[in-house]
Amino acid sequence: GESVGLHLPTLSVQEGDNSIINCAYSNSASDYFIWYKQESGKGPQFIIDIRSNMDKRQGQRVTVLLNKTVKHLSLQIAATQPGDSAVYFCAENAGAGSGYALNFGKGTSLLVTP
Amino acid sequence: KAGVTQTPRYLIKTRGQQVTLSCSPISGHRSVSWYQQTPGQGLQFLFEYFSETQRNKGNFPGRFSGRQFSNSRSEMNVSTLELGDSALYLCASSPGQGVSPLHFGNGTRLTVT
Repeated sequence: GESVGLHLPTLSVQEGDNSIINCAYSNSASDYFIWYKQESGKGPQFIIDIRSNMDKRQGQRVTVLLNKTVKHLSLQIAATQPGDSAVYFCAENAGAGSGYALNFGKGTSLLVTP
Repeated sequence: KAGVTQTPRYLIKTRGQQVTLSCSPISGHRSVSWYQQTPGQGLQFLFEYFSETQRNKGNFPGRFSGRQFSNSRSEMNVSTLELGDSALYLCASSPGQGVSPLHFGNGTRLTVT
């Protein structure tokens, strides 16, 4: 079936470097994508979202890029900090009609080393 | 504004029992969704409620059910618990009109023994 997947399960970066987390999706009908950060013992925390009519969106230290041609989504974190260490999930809206159902990727663990 | 609140935080149940989990959404949010998170399957959609009506349902057996009250608070119930139901159950809310980010609670950790 169609699914959202991640290229790398773990990513280790040095503090101050930029991080790039990738995500592949296969549902060409997906029109809304979200990145979440999950720390141990907590629920997923919203980072940034993007709709399919855009190819780039920037937030505070984060940028999401959407390439619909190859069905690829990426999250860029600038000047990565120790507090960025967490598991990152991409998700696409797979809901029908007015409904809302996110299909999540398996997650990438980001480890920031000093 | 208070976030999504889930109770209880932890639960231990025995196979065959049933369990009810509770979720209070962010004030003003009318859509409540439930997700199951396990190490093997990741985050999987259970169902979504909007204005007391189930609007979407994931691919889970009928033992999993939910409801939403007029104040948007929601409960989910799992009957005849199985060992494989051990998971973190996450509730999320959103305004409900169109797509917008889901805001998650910290979940209920259910352990079935």
